[in-house]
Amino acid sequence: RKEVEQDPGPFNVPEGATVAFNCTYSNSASQSFFWYRQDCRKEPKLLMSVYSSGNEDGRFTAQLNRASQYISLLIRDSKLSDSATYLCVVNSEGFKTIFGAGTRLFVKA
Amino acid sequence: ETGVTQSPTHLIKTRGQQVTLRCSSQSGHNTVSWYQQALGQGPQFIFQYYREEENGRGNFPPRFSGLQFPNYSSELNVNALELDDSALYLCASSFGTEPEAFFGQGTRLTVV
Repeated sequence: RKEVEQDPGPFNVPEGATVAFNCTYSNSASQSFFWYRQDCRKEPKLLMSVYSSGNEDGRFTAQLNRASQYISLLIRDSKLSDSATYLCVVNSEGFKTIFGAGTRLFVKA
Repeated sequence: ETGVTQSPTHLIKTRGQQVTLRCSSQSGHNTVSWYQQALGQGPQFIFQYYREEENGRGNFPPRFSGLQFPNYSSELNVNALELDDSALYLCASSFGTEPEAFFGQGTRLTVV
């Protein structure tokens, strides 16, 4: 079983749609959680951290469920510019950072 | 821009050769992590350097080695290159043990 698992997609959605991604992790001792965004042939960029209380940044909402060991990302009112690969990231032991394989999102006009 | 720069941006090497990739971390950051990203996969953690010492290592063979310099820039060295080493190599810098990291644009290595 992979340490961090994501649905690879692709998710094809129209502009304005709401889309949700889930990610599961296997190490219950994991300490920090993030969503990164990666555009084609570019480096990953930090989208947002994920907290147990949930956090929101504009159209993006991230949640963490430690009991079930999953993380979610919700994107509301999708824009064409949201098309990218979304990487779920789990950090443990201070240095061990594990990336999921990513979920591809295509937003169409 | 993140302030993390990598060189070169692209590189072609022959199987069996050695390669050195370089990374300048963001100002104020003293931790550098290296990742290998194969096509269609997420980045895989190679190792991390904190204040010039290796601070952790992923599941990569010893022919993958690194250095961090007093100015916190870093090098990734790969010996005896194999075809499967072809990938995007990413460097990420952070401060101390803070897990949020900022990536450079990567070096795309092709081994032929």
